[in-house]
Amino acid sequence: DAGVTQSPTHLIKTRGQQVTLRCSPKSGHDTVSWYQQALGQGPQFIFQYYEEEERQRGNFPDRFSGHQFPNYSSELNVNALLLGDSALYLCASSPPGRRTGELFFGEGSRLTVL
Amino acid sequence: AQSVTQLGSHVSVSEGALVLLRCNYSSSVPPYLFWYVQYPNQGLQLLLKYTSAATLVKGINGFEAEFKKSETSFHLTKPSAHMSDAAEYFCAVSDLQGAQKLVFGQGTRLTINP
Repeated sequence: DAGVTQSPTHLIKTRGQQVTLRCSPKSGHDTVSWYQQALGQGPQFIFQYYEEEERQRGNFPDRFSGHQFPNYSSELNVNALLLGDSALYLCASSPPGRRTGELFFGEGSRLTVL
Repeated sequence: AQSVTQLGSHVSVSEGALVLLRCNYSSSVPPYLFWYVQYPNQGLQLLLKYTSAATLVKGINGFEAEFKKSETSFHLTKPSAHMSDAAEYFCAVSDLQGAQKLVFGQGTRLTINP
């Protein structure tokens, strides 16, 4: 049973460019959340997708956008990249049913902005 | 608003010694509390969770944590440290609303000395 998978694992961009990160949730899971983890910090919530709609959003600018597809996979898009966007981007999924906040994380996509 | 404070960004113990990682939370509603572990270059793995059942929670790899409402604490312990426990540990809180947004602490890096 595959867990949460993310791609790419590493990527380098320059300021002003755009990036798309991809996530496939664990089998049977229907909700996907994205977190940003800056170096030496705890993960910070970006947004959550359920039934192909953004359900909750953290304190991130509109440059950060996302999408969820009918197969529950998800994308995170970041436009007009800034140096401060350099971080590990983590995708997490959770199963349907009673929500307890338990999340299953992927290994992340490490973005470096030069 | 919810928040988590992890006391001590870096904890070092000898192999076989007691591990104690401290976490205090702030929440306006009864919380769900979690401890996650992150090994180098990996995503987060759930160690244990408190979801309003027993206040003493046992997790994987011999870890346990006790929910103390009066102290707003959820400290993580392990009686005897093993070299393989070296990692970054994160305490997190979510609310009962089922929104599944986790608020993480800054993390504590655990080093095990031989």
